[in-house]
Amino acid sequence: EAGVAQSPRYKIIEKRQSVAFWCNPISGHATLYWYQQILGQGPKLLIQFQNNGVVDDSQLPKDRFSAERLKGVDSTLKIQPAKLEDSAVYLCASSRLAGSYNEQFFGPGTRLTVL
Amino acid sequence: AQTVTQSQPEMSVQEAETVTLSCTYDTSESDYYLFWYKQPPSRQMILVIRQEAYKQQNATENRFSVNFQKAAKSFSLKISDSQLGDAAMYFCAYRGSGGSNYKLTFGKGTLLTVNP
Repeated sequence: EAGVAQSPRYKIIEKRQSVAFWCNPISGHATLYWYQQILGQGPKLLIQFQNNGVVDDSQLPKDRFSAERLKGVDSTLKIQPAKLEDSAVYLCASSRLAGSYNEQFFGPGTRLTVL
Repeated sequence: AQTVTQSQPEMSVQEAETVTLSCTYDTSESDYYLFWYKQPPSRQMILVIRQEAYKQQNATENRFSVNFQKAAKSFSLKISDSQLGDAAMYFCAYRGSGGSNYKLTFGKGTLLTVNP
């Protein structure tokens, strides 16, 4: 079974520029998560999708971050415009369902550096 | 809101020895799940072990076991017979049992070094 795919793996941009990350979850997984992991901290949930609907985006900075999951499969996370404090690893994860016992599988992440 | 605290930023262990990583959490819920995740350098995070709060028996997965103390809100991970491949960042995580609480809340992590 193929794992969660993410691209790009690394991205360097200047502040105020825009950037987009892509995630392809494990086939058949209905639930998709985007986490932000700042250096020295644990991952923090930004947004959770159930199929193509948003379940939780309470910690997503909506003035600059946006995410979509068209057709309930792939997802993109966009930052526009980027700030220095957005430098982090952005992790995508998926699970079969949203239930507590459903294991979340993580992708390799995209490391973003904002200069 | 739930919080997860890992008080040991770094730990080290000799190969073949045993090490225990600490985790405490705060919640008002009675039913929840706890996890330990492993994140090797530049590699993706994988689940090591999980514990359901309603189960009194501590979870075990091969060389990995937990000491779950519900009243004390403590959830430590014991790694026996440590191997070089165990070197990684370890995260303790909490998940509620329903509604929008399916999200994982992570601690800051413990960096484990295994010395040959």
